[in-house]
Amino acid sequence: EAGVVQSPRYKIIEKKQPVAFWCNPISGHNTLYWYLQNLGQGPELLIRYENEEAVDDSQLPKDRFSAERLKGVDSTLKIQPAELGDSAVYLCASSSYQVPNEQFFGPGTRLTVL
Amino acid sequence: AQSVAQPEDQVNVAEGNPLTVKCTYSVSGNPYLFWYVQYPNRGLQFLLKYITGDNLVKGSYGFEAEFNKSQTSFHLKKPSALVSDSALYFCAKGDSSYKLIFGSGTRLLVRP
Repeated sequence: EAGVVQSPRYKIIEKKQPVAFWCNPISGHNTLYWYLQNLGQGPELLIRYENEEAVDDSQLPKDRFSAERLKGVDSTLKIQPAELGDSAVYLCASSSYQVPNEQFFGPGTRLTVL
Repeated sequence: AQSVAQPEDQVNVAEGNPLTVKCTYSVSGNPYLFWYVQYPNRGLQFLLKYITGDNLVKGSYGFEAEFNKSQTSFHLKKPSALVSDSALYFCAKGDSSYKLIFGSGTRLLVRP
């Protein structure tokens, strides 16, 4: 079984530029999560999708961050414009309806904003 | 607000010795508790979980964790550490909405 796929693995951009991250969850997993992990800290939830519906986006900074999961499968997280403080690892995770409390994580995208 | 505390930034142990990585959590209803491990440049890997039932939970790679309701703790243990166990370990708490609250992580260093 393929795991959660994320791309790119690494991204370096100048501040004020836009950036997008892509995630493909495990096949059949209806729930998808985006987390932010700052250096030396645990992941923090940004947004959770149930199929194509964002059911928890309370921690997403909506002035510059946006996300979509149009067909209820893969998802894109966007930052526009990026700021220096956005440098972090962005993790995607997914879980199934049958075992909703067990999340499987992708390798993450490490973003560096210069 | 819900919280998870991992009081040790780093745990050092000699190979072959038992290891314990500590975790405490804030009380709110029936907790769902998890341990994840993160190797360099890798995503988090699930180790084990406590939902209900036996207080001693067995997981992957020989790890186990003990749920202690009175002390609100969920310490990760392994009887005999391996050098390959060296990694970053995260304790997490979930709720009925399946949102995970993570601790700050504990770096485990197993020396040969």
